[in-house]
Amino acid sequence: EADIYQTPRYLVIGTGKKITLECSQTMGHDKMYWYQQDPGMELHLIHYSYGVNSTEKGDLSSESTVSRIRTEHFPLTLESARPSHTSQYLCASSRDGYPDTQYFGPGTRLTVL
Amino acid sequence: GENVEQHPSTLSVQEGDSAVIKCTYSDSASNYFPWYKQELGKRPQLIIDIRSNVGEKKDQRIAVTLNKTAKHFSLHITETQPEDSAVYFCAASLGGSGTYKYIFGTGTRLKVLA
Repeated sequence: EADIYQTPRYLVIGTGKKITLECSQTMGHDKMYWYQQDPGMELHLIHYSYGVNSTEKGDLSSESTVSRIRTEHFPLTLESARPSHTSQYLCASSRDGYPDTQYFGPGTRLTVL
Repeated sequence: GENVEQHPSTLSVQEGDSAVIKCTYSDSASNYFPWYKQELGKRPQLIIDIRSNVGEKKDQRIAVTLNKTAKHFSLHITETQPEDSAVYFCAASLGGSGTYKYIFGTGTRLKVLA
């Protein structure tokens, strides 16, 4: 079944650690996005990609980085995690063209101690 | 920058009553308006959307209306049920820039009282 997958679903980690949040989609979509969301609060776009080797920063400043080497894969990396990074991270994807409805993955809830 | 205002932030209704959530957008080039429902601990799920060339769209108990002149769009839920309790987000496409990004509203927490 076509879907968006995120791993891990939950992560508790200490300050200063490097982490990578994985996102993969089998939707056949070209565009992918990362959002940061505190529980029940608004979604903030932190990165997006139109396709392979294309990445852009979103509206919310983030210390994370992303890469897009394969169409279906869009990992997000924090080089040195801090307590301020504690949040939920949602990955989304959409097809190219109009309308480009975004579909979301289940999210990764990150806690940095 | 462009923004989407969403009201109210919280809404409590009795089961069976109607609920209305309103959004106002600023980007006149926006041409696509999805609505998402997010239950506690779950991912946002698309529940209905509307394109700029349509004034109203209905899907069972859910309807969305769009007034492009006023830059308003609204979500209407009739005959509410306890399972409608969730946070609802509106969004508007950021048109004109070719990026097809969304601007999301700040969310409405709907509580349906049994």
